[in-house]
Amino acid sequence: EIVLTQSPGTLSLSPGERATLSCRASQSVSSTYLAWYQQKPGQAPRLLIFGASSRATGTPDRFSGSGSWTDFTLTISRLEPEDFAVYYCQQYGSSPSITFGQGTRLEIK
Amino acid sequence: EVQLLESGGGLVQPGGSLRLSCVVSGFTFSNYAMSWVRQAPGKGLEWVSGISGSGGSTYYADSVKGRFSISRDNSKKTLYLLMNSLRAEDTAVYYCAKEDYVELYGLWYYWGRGTLVTVSS
Repeated sequence: EIVLTQSPGTLSLSPGERATLSCRASQSVSSTYLAWYQQKPGQAPRLLIFGASSRATGTPDRFSGSGSWTDFTLTISRLEPEDFAVYYCQQYGSSPSITFGQGTRLEIK
Repeated sequence: EVQLLESGGGLVQPGGSLRLSCVVSGFTFSNYAMSWVRQAPGKGLEWVSGISGSGGSTYYADSVKGRFSISRDNSKKTLYLLMNSLRAEDTAVYYCAKEDYVELYGLWYYWGRGTLVTVSS
């Protein structure tokens, strides 16, 4: 099973700043099958990015995804107040390979 | 509008059973695979189980294999998760989630609000 490790565990930034979240896989992951979700307290996750870099419908363009092989990044160019949440990377594509990272909490500094 | 509404959660003793349901609307249910994803209190997300649109193919995480059973009734637009031999570590909010494909893929645009399962004596 491929393990996804996200860093940092918590990221403290101010609105307007740039956020860079990392997701590292224990083995190579096809970039086709790497997604990012956002989750706010008391809410279900929301799909932001799929295929490592494609924005899901409704995802603002300040969110971008990049990476390949074992290293993937979610970047938020200029943080808005509503962006402070927990972010999960996820591997998908087939049953044994549906796994999540442990999450990065993005908090207001 | 796509809607998914889970029910059936509650307090159950270790070793007990519970059946979760997820009633959907706003799309042709049989055309899409569905999954259950859970989240333990204060913890991350864990995929639990998935089922193809026809119901002919089912998939389970190793942590629940042999104890949980996923099924669907396409005529009732309802997804089920039968959970047996429940353990304390099964305590979580259980979400149902809709795939964009008829077969399991693990990518979910639509989620329910979740139902809380607590396993405790």
